[in-house]
Amino acid sequence: DAGVIQSPRHEVTEMGQEVTLRCKPISGHDYLFWYRQTMMRGLELLIYFNNNVPIDDSGMPEDRFSAKMPNASFSTLKIQPSEPRDSAVYFCASSPNPYEQYFGPGTRLTVT
Amino acid sequence: AQTVTQSQPEMSVQEAETVTLSCTYDTSESDYYLFWYKQPPSRQMILVIRQEAYKQQNATENRFSVNFQKAAKSFSLKISDSQLGDAAMYFCASSYAGKSTFGDGTTLTVKP
Repeated sequence: DAGVIQSPRHEVTEMGQEVTLRCKPISGHDYLFWYRQTMMRGLELLIYFNNNVPIDDSGMPEDRFSAKMPNASFSTLKIQPSEPRDSAVYFCASSPNPYEQYFGPGTRLTVT
Repeated sequence: AQTVTQSQPEMSVQEAETVTLSCTYDTSESDYYLFWYKQPPSRQMILVIRQEAYKQQNATENRFSVNFQKAAKSFSLKISDSQLGDAAMYFCASSYAGKSTFGDGTTLTVKP
């Protein structure tokens, strides 16, 4: 069975550019989560969806970040404009319930 | 609000021996779940074991088991017969209603 798929795996961009991270959850999972992992702050929940509807976005750092889930098999996390402090590993996870998480391989974002 | 504390930044174990990783948590909720996740150098987060707070019986998954002390809010992970492939960072997490809080992680080294 295919797990959570994320693309790209690595992204290097310049400050001020728009960045779009993509995620395909495991089929049949109704919950989708976006996390950010940094050395300083650890693993932080940014936003999660249930049945394609955003439920809690209180972890989204600021208005530069936005996330969408247009259908059950696709979600995006967009940063516009990007800043060097956004450099991190971004994980997407999906789940059949609001508790356990099945993570994708992550996208390592570097903003120069 | 949930908090998760892992007091051991690093641990090491001899191959085939047993090691216990510590975790304490705090939550005001009653219907919560606890998890241990493994993050090897490949950085993919892998679910190792889960424990429902309402269950008194400790969860077990092959060589992995937990010691869940609800009153003390303690949730330790025991790895028996350690293998080289167990080397990774281990994260303890508390989850309630879609929001998971992760500890800072414990890096486990397995010595051959």
